Amino acid sequence: GQQLNQSPQSMFIQEGEDVSMNCTSSSIFNTWLWYKQDPGEGPVLLIALYKAGELTSNGRLTAQFGITRKDSFLNISASIPSDVGIYFCAGLIQGAQKLVFGQGTRLTINP
Amino acid sequence: GAVVSQHPSRVICKSGTSVKIECRSLDFQATTMFWYRQFPKQSLMLMATSNEGSKATYEQGVEKDKFLINHASLTLSTLTVTSAHPEDSSFYICSPSVGSGGLSEVETQYFGPGTRLLVL
Repeated sequence: GQQLNQSPQSMFIQEGEDVSMNCTSSSIFNTWLWYKQDPGEGPVLLIALYKAGELTSNGRLTAQFGITRKDSFLNISASIPSDVGIYFCAGLIQGAQKLVFGQGTRLTINP
Repeated sequence: GAVVSQHPSRVICKSGTSVKIECRSLDFQATTMFWYRQFPKQSLMLMATSNEGSKATYEQGVEKDKFLINHASLTLSTLTVTSAHPEDSSFYICSPSVGSGGLSEVETQYFGPGTRLLVL
């Protein structure tokens, strides 16, 4: 089946630093989404991308839909303590009903 | 935003017993319900998809007789783990969707807060 390879698996950064994570796949996706999951909670949608090359921001978060439609990245600028959590990319293949999730990136911030 | 509730939030049960997890969409009607399972430090894995009033479609490797899904109304779906065993211990997350899923409706696919199941 389709797989999303998300990296890095974990990140340990200082407060105020910028963060970058990405997802790649051997399959073409029509939609890329980025979610954040806090411990013991369900994922919350951060950004949705629908077009190849699309660059979208949501506050300090910026995500891009790769030109090849096989990858996407998420950047977080000037990290703050509440950014701690697990970030998941997810993709939707044309004609598909269900999302495919990446393995997640666990973000830890040292104050 | 949309409000999704799951009950219970945590449950501990003995091996061999059955556990029912409820998922409610409180302020919208969910045409489609997705049920996911998440093991520690792993990603969300889709278990099954159900549409209101229809039988659920299960993903490969998920036993339909073990994980019973009922989507009787547009605001309520239940997942019953029958004869639970320790390997069923996991975080179960429901995900109601306003539409039938797909390209134009991913932003209206919401996630519940999850139910942590521990089978002793």
